[in-house]
Amino acid sequence: GAVVSQHPSRVICKSGTSVKIECRSLDFQATTMFWYRQFPKQSLMLMATSNEGSKATYEQGVEKDKFLINHASLTLSTLTVTSAHPEDSSFYICSAWDYRKEEQYFGPGTRLTVT
Amino acid sequence: GENVEQHPSTLSVQEGDSAVIKCTYSDSASNYFPWYKQELGKGPQLIIDIRSNVGEKKDQRIAVTLNKTAKHFSLHITETQPEDSAVYFCAASGEYGNKLVFGAGTILRVKS
Repeated sequence: GAVVSQHPSRVICKSGTSVKIECRSLDFQATTMFWYRQFPKQSLMLMATSNEGSKATYEQGVEKDKFLINHASLTLSTLTVTSAHPEDSSFYICSAWDYRKEEQYFGPGTRLTVT
Repeated sequence: GENVEQHPSTLSVQEGDSAVIKCTYSDSASNYFPWYKQELGKGPQLIIDIRSNVGEKKDQRIAVTLNKTAKHFSLHITETQPEDSAVYFCAASGEYGNKLVFGAGTILRVKS
């Protein structure tokens, strides 16, 4: 299947700082990417839909000023967690829609720990 | 909006047996139904998907069936192996490229 990468795979930051997570589609162009959050032993919770060249669409209850999403190119979307707090600690996963195959592929995830 | 229910939440089978996971969806407009396998600490991996114009799809030991009338779809794994142990998620989407709504997941344990 198609390859989606995320960087970093793990990050530990202090409370109050910001963290940027990158999501790249390596072998296809993705006009649409998605950002999910996953708590232990739970399903994936969609945070926002990222469309290249336009503003992201956030799900209800997700603070857009806290979780900044930028989709500047057809292969890169970034999620910035601003002023992170311990409750933001989670597993963040991105996915990208491959329009050629009409399938959605996920990245390996980023484990964020806020101390 | 769409709601996807998945059963069972946990499933234990002996190596070599078959495993079946079932999902139901609420939105009759949904037309894309992928299945993902997630191993601990990793992102979900697409293992098979089916679209509403098809009733069944098979890929080696994995098959998916779709009943549009009843609004349910199932994942079938035959000849299970220990490496099949993982969490499996079903999902539904209203249109290609649109956001997926996930089921709660099924923890599959294959005992050797």
